[in-house]
Amino acid sequence: DIQMTQSPSSLSASVGDRVTITCRASQSIDNYLNWYQQKLGKAPKLLIYTASTLQSGVPSRFSGSASGTDFTLTISSLQPEDFAAYYCQQSYSPPYTFGQGTKLEIE
Amino acid sequence: QVQLVESGGGVVQPGRSLRLSCAASGFTFRSYGMHWVRQAPGKGLEWVAIISYDGSNKHYADSVKGRFTISRDNSNNTLYLQMNNLRTEDTAVYYCAKDIDSWLGYFDHWGQGTLVTVSS
Repeated sequence: DIQMTQSPSSLSASVGDRVTITCRASQSIDNYLNWYQQKLGKAPKLLIYTASTLQSGVPSRFSGSASGTDFTLTISSLQPEDFAAYYCQQSYSPPYTFGQGTKLEIE
Repeated sequence: QVQLVESGGGVVQPGRSLRLSCAASGFTFRSYGMHWVRQAPGKGLEWVAIISYDGSNKHYADSVKGRFTISRDNSNNTLYLQMNNLRTEDTAVYYCAKDIDSWLGYFDHWGQGTLVTVSS
């Protein structure tokens, strides 16, 4: 199975900050890497798929990039509604594993 | 708009069975792969199973293989998860999720989830 290692597990930041969350795959997954946002008590929401494609309706302050087996989610200027948990997920081959998650909190 | 509504969760003893349902609407259900994803209390997301658009192909996480069965009824736009021989570690919110295509392995719509508690 492909292991996804996400870091950091938690992150404190302020409105307006630029933040970066990383995810590393245990093997090559091409760019079959997706990012989800989950607010407390709610279902996850797809933000970015295939490493860098923004899902329809997602603000442009969210972006994704890839370098080999390393993937990055960047939020360019944090807004109050962005404080949530974020998960990466590989869709290269089943089982479609998730990273452990990053909890983004207000500083 | 796409709607996914799970039902069937509840409290069940270890070793017993439970069947979850997910009623789908707002899209052509028979054209898309469907998944179950779960989340234990206070923990991260765990993918559970996928079924192809026509039900002919399925894949499971190792943690549920041989105990859980995913199925679908395209005539009634409903996805199922039959869970047998339940364990305490199966306690979680179970989400059904729509694949973005027939089988691409990621999810563009999710239900609200149904809680399964396995406890004696």
